[in-house]
Amino acid sequence: AQRVTQPEKLLSVFKGAPVELKCNYSYSGSPELFWYVQYSRQRLQLLLRHISRESIKGFTADLNKGETSFHLKKPFAQEEDSAMYYCALRTPSYNTDKLIFGTGTRLQVFP
Amino acid sequence: DTEVTQTPKHLVMGMTNKKSLKCEQHMGHRAMYWYKQKAKKPPELMFVYSYEKLSINESVPSRFSPECPNSSLLNLHLHALQPEDSALYLCASSQDPAGAQDTQYFGPGTRLTVL
Repeated sequence: AQRVTQPEKLLSVFKGAPVELKCNYSYSGSPELFWYVQYSRQRLQLLLRHISRESIKGFTADLNKGETSFHLKKPFAQEEDSAMYYCALRTPSYNTDKLIFGTGTRLQVFP
Repeated sequence: DTEVTQTPKHLVMGMTNKKSLKCEQHMGHRAMYWYKQKAKKPPELMFVYSYEKLSINESVPSRFSPECPNSSLLNLHLHALQPEDSALYLCASSQDPAGAQDTQYFGPGTRLTVL
């Protein structure tokens, strides 16, 4: 069964500390993974796609197929990073696709 | 226009009312989605329209009725809802549902309260 697991409901760090938000997936096909972020009172926004291998707002995420993980990392957290982060797995089928979301991790960055 | 828009922002309705939620995108995307999001929970997929045809219905109760009049518009018709249907309803769109790494872009949502 396809599943996305984010084991931490809440992650609290101080400004300047490194951050790692964990995401593990279960999928028999070739995975397509995304990180979405939802700031307070704002829409759900795409943060990263695994295929892009880019850094957005200082965040990076590497797909590890051996460990079936797609952890989100940032070396130095900022207060404005405080938000809800969702890892999502795309499961394409003929002519359509579904996104399966993890339960989310709330990141709190204290000054 | 590079955003998904949704109206209204807020909606309060009684259990006997009929109302509609509207979603619009002008990015030429060929797939549109309805999600339901309860507080502190991830979005849950309800419906997918692909090339203006309903391709996924996640066993949603018939009191929710989607409609895709054209490739830019998506409606969600509501009738005889229950208080537990109160939630944030999100619309999303994506360019090519059959393509690799097709990415969904979300609207701001309609916060629905059913009394």
